[in-house]
Amino acid sequence: ETGVTQTPRHLVMGMTNKKSLKCEQHLGHNAMYWYKQSAKKPLELMFVYNFKEQTENNSVPSRFSPECPNSSHLFLHLHTLQPEDSALYLCASSQDTPRTGPYEQYFGPGTRLTVT
Amino acid sequence: AQSVTQLGSHVSVSEGALVLLRCNYSSSVPPYLFWYVQYPNQGLQLLLKYTSAATLVKGINGFEAEFKKSETSFHLTKPSAHMSDAAEYFCAVSERINQGGKLIFGQGTELSVKP
Repeated sequence: ETGVTQTPRHLVMGMTNKKSLKCEQHLGHNAMYWYKQSAKKPLELMFVYNFKEQTENNSVPSRFSPECPNSSHLFLHLHTLQPEDSALYLCASSQDTPRTGPYEQYFGPGTRLTVT
Repeated sequence: AQSVTQLGSHVSVSEGALVLLRCNYSSSVPPYLFWYVQYPNQGLQLLLKYTSAATLVKGINGFEAEFKKSETSFHLTKPSAHMSDAAEYFCAVSERINQGGKLIFGQGTELSVKP
């Protein structure tokens, strides 16, 4: 599946670093999502963007900062992370609009983040 | 509030045996329901979805699921397991109102297939 790509695939960063995760969807969708997947926990929805507007922020700490410059690109800026933030970060997209759907979400392969 | 419960965090079957992965949901309105599969080091891939057409839904790789409103269930089955089916499976629910595509996922069931 190459409809949703994520870079980098693996990232190791120290607690004082600043890094960014990138997601790109080639499916013509208008909604994009960030999820956090930790071991032994359900997927946690972090942020939702519809037509570049953030429509959901699930009480995510401010050390995670999303950016959606257009409907095809989504970033997650990271700074001063904690070891417990180590996880697989998944990006997804869908053809949702606020008045229709929900349609299925298409996922990228994820970025495996390790905070040391 | 919506929720999804997957019974059994780990299921093990022999190759060729029936696969049954259980999912129960809680929703105040008729839901949309999904099953996703995740192979190691990959993202989630949609297996099938229920959106109120037929209650028996067929998906990819020989999987199917049946929506049972009276039991609030959406169990995933496959008649004959293959080694390549070993993966983690997630059930998800979304309500049929303005939710902007928000899905609620279960905690996942890891399927092992023994030769």
